[in-house]
Amino acid sequence: DADVTQTPRNRITKTGKRIMLECSQTKGHDRMYWYRQDPGLGLRLIYYSFDVKDINKGEISDGYSVSRQAQAKFSLSLESAIPNQTALYFCATSSTGQGSYNEQFFGPGTRLTVL
Amino acid sequence: LAKTTQPISMDSYEGQEVNITCSHNNIATNDYITWYQQFPSQGPRFIIQGYKTKVTNEVASLFIPADRKSSTLSLPRVSLSDTAVYYCLVGDVREANNAGNMLTFGGGTRLMVKP
Repeated sequence: DADVTQTPRNRITKTGKRIMLECSQTKGHDRMYWYRQDPGLGLRLIYYSFDVKDINKGEISDGYSVSRQAQAKFSLSLESAIPNQTALYFCATSSTGQGSYNEQFFGPGTRLTVL
Repeated sequence: LAKTTQPISMDSYEGQEVNITCSHNNIATNDYITWYQQFPSQGPRFIIQGYKTKVTNEVASLFIPADRKSSTLSLPRVSLSDTAVYYCLVGDVREANNAGNMLTFGGGTRLMVKP
């Protein structure tokens, strides 16, 4: 089973709809992240969470909200989706333990299309 | 905040050694250098991480000069499957005030390996 899972994998929705993307991890990591990637561009950080009680805005948080329901779950919501939020969304995790603590483990991504 | 500069793209042929250089003139004392690889429609994957001198693993080598203002990712004898985007990140995600910097992927370097 995959360590970092994302649901749904693909979603098509209409402008103005509320959308929730979910991320779950079985790695036991304390840190979780949400990124978006637009075609031909690098990843941009939306939100990150260093533990259940810690939520931080990233580079492009406007129009998004998050919820860290448990250490293993981190959800991203688009309260009122708009077409320019069409992108590939990635969830990632990392640990503060020893070793490559800066290593982030990414989920398979969710392809979101807003019509 | 440390900022990284990488070539936008590089071409190579199968069997050659590929060196991708990343400039990070403002790297801080506690910053580490981390490289990721990303295939189309997949999340980035950690390749290697280092602080100074040389680090080698089963996939790549990372060369960091004494002044740490740049780093070079070396891929030995590339194959077609190494065609991907390579990202250089600088920072230390353990530090809350520097986490935003570590989590900046930038545009990366698109490596095309030809037969």
